[in-house]
Amino acid sequence: GESVGLHLPTLSVQEGDNSIINCAYSNSASDYFIWYKQESGKGPQFIIDIRSNMDKRQGQRVTVLLNKTVKHLSLQIAATQPGDSAVYFCAETRSINAGKSTFGDGTTLTVKP
Amino acid sequence: DTGVSQNPRHKITKRGQNVTFRCDPISEHNRLYWYRQTLGQGPEFLTYFQNEAQLEKSRLLSDRFSAERPKGSFSTLEIQRTEQGDSAMYLCASSLSSGAHTQYFGPGTRLTVL
Repeated sequence: GESVGLHLPTLSVQEGDNSIINCAYSNSASDYFIWYKQESGKGPQFIIDIRSNMDKRQGQRVTVLLNKTVKHLSLQIAATQPGDSAVYFCAETRSINAGKSTFGDGTTLTVKP
Repeated sequence: DTGVSQNPRHKITKRGQNVTFRCDPISEHNRLYWYRQTLGQGPEFLTYFQNEAQLEKSRLLSDRFSAERPKGSFSTLEIQRTEQGDSAMYLCASSLSSGAHTQYFGPGTRLTVL
């Protein structure tokens, strides 16, 4: 069956350092991969996505890398700030599923001042 | 605030009672999704609507669960005869048909069944 998972449940970094959060997926038919940030008491917030025909996509302070050969996805956050502390989820969707997203279990990022 | 809103934010009920949650999506979004999230887990898909039509339901959505979107705008999720295992955060999201993978989530309704 399909699954989306993250390598580490927790990650602690020093403020100003770069963070890398990893995700492995199993379904090679996925069209889009999405990273969400969820703060305590809030719903997931869209950060960035990448289409399956791309290897890299950059946003503001964030970069997503996709390695389809090993079915691996990563989110890089540059100059991590205390406000980046949250749970990060990767998710995948397939067009045939009309946008239904399958989420992994999340990595809790803690930024130490 | 023109984002997705959900009411109530918290609901405590006794086992066996019925509960209903409401979701108001972003106004121009024609797709609306319901997810369930338990502590430490990622959201799990329950069902989705395109306009007023319910197009897909997860096997997680037992016959005690029913969702409606009567006018293609707000949606309600009802759980009948609640069980302790129904305790979770119920999340609503909305999107456009094009770019449906970009979903905008509401703050969720946290249900506690005693």
